[in-house]
Amino acid sequence: QKEVEQNSGPLSVPEGAIASLNCTYSDRGSQSFFWYRQYSGKSPELIMSIYSNGDKEDGRFTAQLNKASQYVSLLIRDSQPSDSATYLCAVNGGRNTGGFKTIFGAGTRLFVKA
Amino acid sequence: ETGVTQTPRHLVMGMTNKKSLKCEQHLGHNAMYWYKQSAKKPLELMFVYNFKEQTENNSVPSRFSPECPNSSHLFLHLHTLQPEDSALYLCASSRGTSGLSYEQYFGPGTRLTVT
Repeated sequence: QKEVEQNSGPLSVPEGAIASLNCTYSDRGSQSFFWYRQYSGKSPELIMSIYSNGDKEDGRFTAQLNKASQYVSLLIRDSQPSDSATYLCAVNGGRNTGGFKTIFGAGTRLFVKA
Repeated sequence: ETGVTQTPRHLVMGMTNKKSLKCEQHLGHNAMYWYKQSAKKPLELMFVYNFKEQTENNSVPSRFSPECPNSSHLFLHLHTLQPEDSALYLCASSRGTSGLSYEQYFGPGTRLTVT
């Protein structure tokens, strides 16, 4: 089982729709959860971090965390073509890694059609 | 611009060459990281430094040698690399390595090609 698992996509949504990106993780002791956006040929850019169960909203982005289900998601409302990128889920602070290591998923490619 | 710079941005080297990658962060962070990103693979953590001390070496071959002279600068010294080492090498920094200070900010990366 992969430590951090994401559907590779591509996920295709029309402009203005809600894009829903999902991530599961294996280390139940994980404490910190992040979403990064990576445009083609560029480095990852932090867009959201979440540390406790529930929802966290920032503009058009909402991160959702459910530690019991070991599941974290990212919703992008009113999707724009500029949101087309690969979205990386990252998980940190698990017992198995001694808390120092951030594990990244392979990423989900999102394509927003104009 | 994240406040993390990397040089060079592109590097082509032969298998017998020695080169170094440089990373500098202007964010006042205490932790710095090297990652490798190969095509179709997740980001792979290579090394972690916290307050200049190495806290993680993720079973990286000895042909990669990190150096962290202070909390703002990080180097990756390369020698006798293999073609499979061709990848994007990313540097990142964070305030620390615990709790809320784990948010990492990445530099633009060095695209390395080993011929």
